[in-house]
Amino acid sequence: GAVVSQHPSRVICKSGTSVKIECRSLDFQATTMFWYRQFPKQSLMLMATSNEGSKATYEQGVEKDKFLINHASLTLSTLTVTSAHPEDSSFYICSARDLDAGDFGGYTFGSGTRLTVV
Amino acid sequence: AQSVTQLDSQVPVFEEAPVELRCNYSSSVSVYLFWYVQYPNQGLQLLLKYLSGSTLVESINGFEAEFNKSQTSFHLRKPSVHISDTAEYFCAVRYYSSASKIIFGSGTRLSIRP
Repeated sequence: GAVVSQHPSRVICKSGTSVKIECRSLDFQATTMFWYRQFPKQSLMLMATSNEGSKATYEQGVEKDKFLINHASLTLSTLTVTSAHPEDSSFYICSARDLDAGDFGGYTFGSGTRLTVV
Repeated sequence: AQSVTQLDSQVPVFEEAPVELRCNYSSSVSVYLFWYVQYPNQGLQLLLKYLSGSTLVESINGFEAEFNKSQTSFHLRKPSVHISDTAEYFCAVRYYSSASKIIFGSGTRLSIRP
């Protein structure tokens, strides 16, 4: 089945530094990937939709200059948290859409990245 | 506004008891519906989905959900739960009109007592 690899699984960084999170579709091509953020004991909030070869579409309230998304190929999207602060600490999850699964399904999730900013 | 409501944040049940996790969505347009399960510190796994056809859908591990258009609901049920079913369950919806994005409910934590 479709597999999405997300790396790193955990990262601790100092306040003010930047962190890059990678999301790869291992055995399928994904023109569209999604980035979610999940606070403890809460649901997933969609941050942005990443489209291969074009600019990401951000949800209302998400700072595009702080959360940089790049989708340079059909199998890789990256999320960079710039100038991280403790309030950015969260669980970030990516999701990729499998083209071959058609329009109806094929949303595969990565295993998530636990970001802690100290 | 498009939204998904999971009324129960936590559902404690005894092992081998039946369980129902409730989910309602707000829309009068056509939707695709999903249930995802999340184990601690992991991503989400698709449990089952409704796209069209039969309103009752089943998963391989004994869960089922029924799409009720008139009540805009997609409740998840299992007749007999196991300790291994302990996890967070998320109901999600994708609206026909919203391109690709999926909207999640707030989640229900299912805890199984021996």
